[in-house]
Amino acid sequence: GAVVSQHPSRVICKSGTSVKIECRSLDFQATTMFWYRQFPKQSLMLMATSNEGSKATYEQGVEKDKFLINHASLTLSTLTVTSAHPEDSSFYICSASPGQGNNSPLHFGNGTRLTVT
Amino acid sequence: AQSVTQLGSHVSVSEGALVLLRCNYSSSVPPYLFWYVQYPNQGLQLLLKYTTGATLVKGINGFEAEFKKSETSFHLTKPSAHMSDAAEYFCAVSGGYQKVTFGTGTKLQVIP
Repeated sequence: GAVVSQHPSRVICKSGTSVKIECRSLDFQATTMFWYRQFPKQSLMLMATSNEGSKATYEQGVEKDKFLINHASLTLSTLTVTSAHPEDSSFYICSASPGQGNNSPLHFGNGTRLTVT
Repeated sequence: AQSVTQLGSHVSVSEGALVLLRCNYSSSVPPYLFWYVQYPNQGLQLLLKYTTGATLVKGINGFEAEFKKSETSFHLTKPSAHMSDAAEYFCAVSGGYQKVTFGTGTKLQVIP
């Protein structure tokens, strides 16, 4: 089946530093990947849609300058949290689909637990 | 526009008992519906999906769900709960462009 790999699984960083999270589709190509954020005891909220070879599309309220997304190849998208603050601490999950249709289910990475101290 | 409502943030069942997790949706276009499961500190795993055709869909681990358009529901069931089913379950709807809206999740507890 379609596999999405996310790295790292956990990261602790100091306030003011930047953190990069990678999302890879291991056995399929993904022109589009999605980044979600999940706060404790809450659902997943879509942050942005990552498009290969073009700029990401951000959801309302998400700071594009703070959450930098790069989708340089058909199998890799990266999310960089710049100048991280404690309120950025969260669980970040990426997803992708091997299909193009609207009914193609998303496959998710295992997520990255970010803790900003 | 689309939305998902999951009734009950926590559900407890005894091992061997029926599991019923409720999901209602709204969508301005014919929906695609999904159930995902999330184990602690992990990503989401697809349990099953409804796109078109048969309204009763079977998924992994013995789960199934029935799409009822008249009730705008897509409830998840399993005849007999197992301890390993303890996790958080998310219902999701997609109306287009793979943009998926998730419900708030239901945490399933299985009591031995």
